[in-house]
Amino acid sequence: SAVISQKPSRDICQRGTSLTIQCQVDSQVTMMFWYRQQPGQSLTLIATANQGSEATYESGFVIDKFPISRPNLTFSTLTVSNMSPEDSSIYLCSVDMDRGSVYEQFFGPGTRLTVL
Amino acid sequence: DQQVKQNSPSLSVQEGRISILNCDYTNSMFDYFLWYKKYPAEGPTFLISISSIKDKNEDGRFTVFLNKSAKHLSLHIVPSQPGDSAVYFCAASANSGYALNFGKGTSLLVTP
Repeated sequence: SAVISQKPSRDICQRGTSLTIQCQVDSQVTMMFWYRQQPGQSLTLIATANQGSEATYESGFVIDKFPISRPNLTFSTLTVSNMSPEDSSIYLCSVDMDRGSVYEQFFGPGTRLTVL
Repeated sequence: DQQVKQNSPSLSVQEGRISILNCDYTNSMFDYFLWYKKYPAEGPTFLISISSIKDKNEDGRFTVFLNKSAKHLSLHIVPSQPGDSAVYFCAASANSGYALNFGKGTSLLVTP
């Protein structure tokens, strides 16, 4: 399995500010994914981040609002820009491991963001 | 458009009995199906997965069954333990390296 850490684990931010979330993996991985879980909801994919290329965003998410960096095979950041209370969520990064007939995707512990 | 559906928001089971969590999907392109356990304020913990070429996968107390013709899968936990109480998410992917589509989760309560 992969060990994934995220920083910060939680934060309370003011409307209009930005927060950068870091995701560190203990092994080199090709794909990293960023999800969010709004209160009472399921997990929704924000974007997929490949090392060395632009992140691919899902419908409803744009690069200006959620810029992503992927400088190497073990690290990625997600920035939540110009925050509003609607951005209050748990933000999660994940990586996948394909071992032939077994496919696994592991998640970090999440960053709990509250926007006032 | 919810492609993965967990129609039971909650389930209560007695300790020692079997817990059966169900999941339906609509996209026939899904190749991998995964189950996660999640506690509040934590990231999802991977439990077990199954590929579309199989109809059963077992790991300890956890067994996942896949019925491709019915586009249905289920997670069986035997025997259930109070520590199993959590929200369980079903997720599916069209291929390895693709992101996951999640259901809305089923909250399992295992009572002593």
